[in-house]
Amino acid sequence: GAVVSQHPSRVICKSGTSVKIECRSLDFQATTMFWYRQFPKKSLMLMATSNEGSKATYEQGVEKDKFLINHASLTLSTLTVTSAHPEDSSFYICSVGQGGETQYFGPGTRLLVL
Amino acid sequence: QQQVKQSPQSLIVQKGGIPIINCAYENTAFDYFPWYQQFPGKGPALLIAIRPDVSEKKEGRFTISFNKSAKQFSLHIMDSQPGDSATYFCAASSAAGNKLTFGGGTRVLVKP
Repeated sequence: GAVVSQHPSRVICKSGTSVKIECRSLDFQATTMFWYRQFPKKSLMLMATSNEGSKATYEQGVEKDKFLINHASLTLSTLTVTSAHPEDSSFYICSVGQGGETQYFGPGTRLLVL
Repeated sequence: QQQVKQSPQSLIVQKGGIPIINCAYENTAFDYFPWYQQFPGKGPALLIAIRPDVSEKKEGRFTISFNKSAKQFSLHIMDSQPGDSATYFCAASSAAGNKLTFGGGTRVLVKP
């Protein structure tokens, strides 16, 4: 399956700052990537679908101005958490869609907002 | 319609036992059912997946059983090992939309 990396793996920031998380497809050209959020001991919640060269599609209840997604190339999608607050602290995971329904996930990014 | 219900939330087995995790869905448009394994602090890893045209699929020690009429599917871990201790998620998607709908997860602990 596709190999996916994320950077950084962990980030701590102050409230009010913005944080950018990168998701890279290392061995596969991904027209579609997905961004998820996961709270401790909970399931994955889809935030948005990132489409190369076009605007991301956000799930209901996800603020698009808060979570900016850019998918400028077939191997890179970025998620920027703008004006982060403590409630944005979470585990953010991206995935690459390959062959239709199959998704391969990155290792995740732990965000802590102080 | 989009929900996937997973049970149990957690289970403990002895080494060599067979943990069984069950999932049920409502949306008949779902036609792809993967299982993911997640270790603490890591991203989910695809274990095995099945489509409704087969009733069972095996990959190594992992087996999926699928009951289309009941809209249920389950994961069996044969000869479980302590290294299998993880959280397991079932999911479902349809060809019409490529988004995955996840179950709530099951924390499995395999005791030595």
